[in-house]
Amino acid sequence: DAGITQSPRHKVTETGTPVTLRCHQTENHRYMYWYRQDPGHGLRLIHYSYGVKDTDKGEVSDGYSVSRSKTEDFLLTLESATSSQTSVYFCAISESKGGTAPDTQYFGPGTRLTVL
Amino acid sequence: LAKTTQPISMDSYEGQEVNITCSHNNIATNDYITWYQQFPSQGPRFIIQGYKTKVTNEVASLFIPADRKSSTLSLPRVSLSDTAVYYCLVGDVDSNYQLIWGAGTKLIIKP
Repeated sequence: DAGITQSPRHKVTETGTPVTLRCHQTENHRYMYWYRQDPGHGLRLIHYSYGVKDTDKGEVSDGYSVSRSKTEDFLLTLESATSSQTSVYFCAISESKGGTAPDTQYFGPGTRLTVL
Repeated sequence: LAKTTQPISMDSYEGQEVNITCSHNNIATNDYITWYQQFPSQGPRFIIQGYKTKVTNEVASLFIPADRKSSTLSLPRVSLSDTAVYYCLVGDVDSNYQLIWGAGTKLIIKP
């Protein structure tokens, strides 16, 4: 299995508080992704990174920010958490983006976040 | 918006072959079809990817007809451990080939 860890694995927080989730990889892959998954839905891309300090928005980026200061770490921050951000968050990595043949993405174990 | 359409759920029995069909009517000429598997409380895992005809690996086979408007994931002789959600994906050219995930097909294998 690809070396991807996420921390924390579970978190309960209150509305209005800042929250940071961490993704750490040991594979030296260039691309890193943050997704959220809600019941009955597939994954939705929040942000992704294509290198140190290089990030871009996904389809549901509002209310989230990211940072990547090292190849191995990709942080997702909820500046002021809301109940609608209660979800399971997955980090993923890939060597390249691919194109018409998307490169394989390897996923972390997920972080379950509850915002009360 | 997901570019693929799959059944929401399917049931089968241990030892059977399971075929999950995915519709992708608007697939572009050069797009590949990719399938992932997700077990409960885990992240998705890549299963197989193909462009045309048939692709086989140690886990599954992928059948893609000539018109490429649909594809079928085939799981031979399933076991209880194959109970999972299966996603059919095509890259979204409008977002530089990001994967757009639908709800997937929840496959339940019964004893």
